[in-house]
Amino acid sequence: GESVGLHLPTLSVQEGDNSIINCAYSNSASDYFIWYKQESGKGPQFIIDIRSNMDKRQGQRVTVLLNKTVKHLSLQIAATQPGDSAVYFCAATMTAGGTSYGKLTFGQGTILTVHP
Amino acid sequence: GAVVSQHPSRVICKSGTSVKIECRSLDFQATTMFWYRQFPKQSLMLMATSNEGSKATYEQGVEKDKFLINHASLTLSTLTVTSAHPEDSSFYICSAISRGGQPQHFGDGTRLSIL
Repeated sequence: GESVGLHLPTLSVQEGDNSIINCAYSNSASDYFIWYKQESGKGPQFIIDIRSNMDKRQGQRVTVLLNKTVKHLSLQIAATQPGDSAVYFCAATMTAGGTSYGKLTFGQGTILTVHP
Repeated sequence: GAVVSQHPSRVICKSGTSVKIECRSLDFQATTMFWYRQFPKQSLMLMATSNEGSKATYEQGVEKDKFLINHASLTLSTLTVTSAHPEDSSFYICSAISRGGQPQHFGDGTRLSIL
């Protein structure tokens, strides 16, 4: 089976700093990866995704980096704000035949706390 | 963006009660819905995968007679926790995928507390 894990369970940063959250996955067949943000008492919220044919993808204040050689994924948040405080999960799946309906395997999560 | 609505957001009931949780995709047709369970400070654990018009596929260790899933339409899936006991208390979250595939979009979860 696949496991997806995180190196750091908690991360505390000052407002305005850049944050980096890391994730490792075990299944080399994984080809689609997603980062989710989960605030207390709510469901996960999609942040950004990346396919295995890319090694970097940028969104608004967020960048995801994928290193398939070492099966590592990271989420970078620029100019972190107090509203970014939440639990961040990476998730991975295998797509087949061009479809992407596969089950997601979630990492354990990193608690990000942003201090004003 | 894609919106998934989950209802109720919180349920408190007595042991032995059956509880139904609804998951609706509001602005897209969900060919596949997923049901997760999450304990405090832990990750999401997939319980079952539900495809419209067919039986749900349960993950290993999840009792299908305990957690009844119905996906009768492309916008609605329900999870019924039958004869709930205190150990069933948890945060249950659904997600849905449209015909276009990933990413999964999640509801805001249901906090189930069995007394």
